Amino acid sequence: DAGITQSPRHKVTETGTPVTLRCHQTENHRYMYWYRQDPGHGLRLIHYSYGVKDTDKGEVSDGYSVSRSKTEDFLLTLESATSSQTSVYFCAISESNLDEQYFGPGTRLTVT
Amino acid sequence: AQSVTQPDIHITVSEGASLELRCNYSYGATPYLFWYVQSPGQGLQLLLKYFSGDTLVQGIKGFEAEFKRSQSSFNLRKPSVHWSDAAEYFCAVGPPMDSSYKLIFGSGTRLLVRP
Repeated sequence: DAGITQSPRHKVTETGTPVTLRCHQTENHRYMYWYRQDPGHGLRLIHYSYGVKDTDKGEVSDGYSVSRSKTEDFLLTLESATSSQTSVYFCAISESNLDEQYFGPGTRLTVT
Repeated sequence: AQSVTQPDIHITVSEGASLELRCNYSYGATPYLFWYVQSPGQGLQLLLKYFSGDTLVQGIKGFEAEFKRSQSSFNLRKPSVHWSDAAEYFCAVGPPMDSSYKLIFGSGTRLLVRP
């Protein structure tokens, strides 16, 4: 299994609070991704990174920001959590943009 | 716009029966194609991938998929299903000659296996 960890694995937070999710990899892969998974929608890309300090938006980026200061860490921040951001969040990594992506175990976030 | 369609939300098969999960894509060129499986409470695991060449690709756990350009399809098959195959299956496409790095996922098909 690819060395990808996500923390926390579960979180409950209140509307309006900031939340940061962490993805950590030990594979030294260049590309990292954040997805959210919701019933009936499959996985939707939030943000991705193609190198340290190089990030770009995905299809559902509103309300989210990311940072990547080191190859191994990719942080996803919900600046002011809303109930619509209740979801399961997956991090993924890939060696290049032409390779398959490997997924972390996910973080279940509940915004009350 | 690129899209991936998995027309079956749920499929139920009996253990030992054959399985085919459908995937259709809309894309301007031949994309890279993937099938992932997700067991309950787990992340996604790659089953197989198609980049080019032989249109019938073999994957892990006895799965195979066939790329049919004329039908824009990449259906997943298994000749004999095991109870442990019960999971959700996702088809995904990626851009082979595009500077973006995005996979587009279908909405998934949940497989139930009858004993």
